Amino acid sequence: LAKTTQPISMDSYEGQEVNITCSHNNIATNDYITWYQQFPSQGPRFIIQGYKTKVTNEVASLFIPADRKSSTLSLPRVSLSDTAVYYCLVGDPLGGNMLTFGGGTRLMVKP
Amino acid sequence: EAGVAQSPRYKIIEKRQSVAFWCNPISGHATLYWYQQILGQGPKLLIQFQNNGVVDDSQLPKDRFSAERLKGVDSTLKIQPAKLEDSAVYLCASSYLAGGPSQVNEQFFGPGTRLTVL
Repeated sequence: LAKTTQPISMDSYEGQEVNITCSHNNIATNDYITWYQQFPSQGPRFIIQGYKTKVTNEVASLFIPADRKSSTLSLPRVSLSDTAVYYCLVGDPLGGNMLTFGGGTRLMVKP
Repeated sequence: EAGVAQSPRYKIIEKRQSVAFWCNPISGHATLYWYQQILGQGPKLLIQFQNNGVVDDSQLPKDRFSAERLKGVDSTLKIQPAKLEDSAVYLCASSYLAGGPSQVNEQFFGPGTRLTVL
C-alpha cells in the first residue's frame, strides 16, 4: 500500500497560485496519483488524476516528475471558495489499494 | 445526472444498539465503496464492491460491521453492536470503472451519514 505524505496545512491569498506537494516514495508501477477536495460536511470531490509528466484540466494541474516519487497539485489563482482539505491518493485504479486517504492538506485562502 | 444518495443523513444511537445505512449509487456505476471518516481525519475505506462481489474488505471490523450489495445496485452498511468509537461520518461512493488503466477512475461521493454513538 503506497503511503502518502502531505503538509498538514497551507495558507494563501486570493489570486495566488497554490502548489501542494505529496510524497509517495513507494509508488508501484501500476499506481496512479489522484487528488480530491473536501469541504466541511461534504464528501470528497475528484480534482485530477495522472500517471506521469503533467496533466491539466479546467480547475488544476498535476505535475509528476520522472521518478514518480512525488507529485504537485497546482491551483491557479485561488479564491476564498478554494478553502478546503486536499487529499492525495496513490494506487491502482483497477485494484483495491487506491483508496487510502491520508490526513490531507488544509488550505486556507485569505482575502 | 443524479448523484450518490445516502440515508439517513444523521443518526444518534446509544452504544450497543444497532444501526444501518443505505446507499444508492449513480446509475451504471459498477463499483461501490463505503468509507468511515472520523472528525479531523481522512476517509478510511471499509469495503469496496465490484457489482455484487467484494473487492476489498480488509479494513472492515467484521465482528461488528457488515455490508451487502444486493443485485449490484443499492448497498447497506450495518453496525451491530455500536461502540462509542464508531461515531463518524459514513461516506458512500461509486465509480464507473471503464476498464484499462488509462481510464480515470473518478469516485463520486454521497453526502454521508453522520453517526453519533452515546
